[in-house]
Amino acid sequence: AQSVAQPEDQVNVAEGNPLTVKCTYSVSGNPYLFWYVQYPNRGLQFLLKYITGDNLVKGSYGFEAEFNKSQTSFHLKKPSALVSDSALYFCAVSNTDKLIFGTGTRLQVFP
Amino acid sequence: DAGVIQSPRHEVTEMGQEVTLRCKPISGHNSLFWYRQTMMRGLELLIYFNNNVPIDDSGMPEDRFSAKMPNASFSTLKIQPSEPRDSAVYFCASSFNRANYGYTFGSGTRLTVV
Repeated sequence: AQSVAQPEDQVNVAEGNPLTVKCTYSVSGNPYLFWYVQYPNRGLQFLLKYITGDNLVKGSYGFEAEFNKSQTSFHLKKPSALVSDSALYFCAVSNTDKLIFGTGTRLQVFP
Repeated sequence: DAGVIQSPRHEVTEMGQEVTLRCKPISGHNSLFWYRQTMMRGLELLIYFNNNVPIDDSGMPEDRFSAKMPNASFSTLKIQPSEPRDSAVYFCASSFNRANYGYTFGSGTRLTVV
């Protein structure tokens, strides 16, 4: 069965520093992987997805994610964090019928 | 495109009352999902529809919860009777052709049962 793990409940980073939010997955077959962001009092917003092709996927707001098949990981990254990036981030994998979401990682960027 | 539209944005009701949450998916999307989010349990999938047909309702917590999708542009989630533990944010999401293209989420309905 498909599953997603986000090992960190919270990630703290100083503004201007690079950030990484970790995600590992378990799927049978080729994975369809997604990252979503949730700002306070808002719904989840699509950031980026990996279906096939280049292992480095670029998305909204300067975020990118690296697909690593051997490590079954899909970590979210940004070269320089902004205070406005502070939010809840969800990794998800598709089992065709529905998305399986991780438990979320709260990113806190300090000025 | 107006996106996925949910109403109301906020609902406060007394225990025992019936609550109806509404969702209008994006035009052309043929899959619709209802989620519940709480601090304790995170994001939970309650039910999803494909081409207006319920596919999996195994996430519906109790018989007090029911969902319908009478047509491609409208869905409801009903709780009758409501209880304080139903307090949560309820999200609707829609997608084209199930999940491989990802979802678009609505802004949610914050339900408080007192």
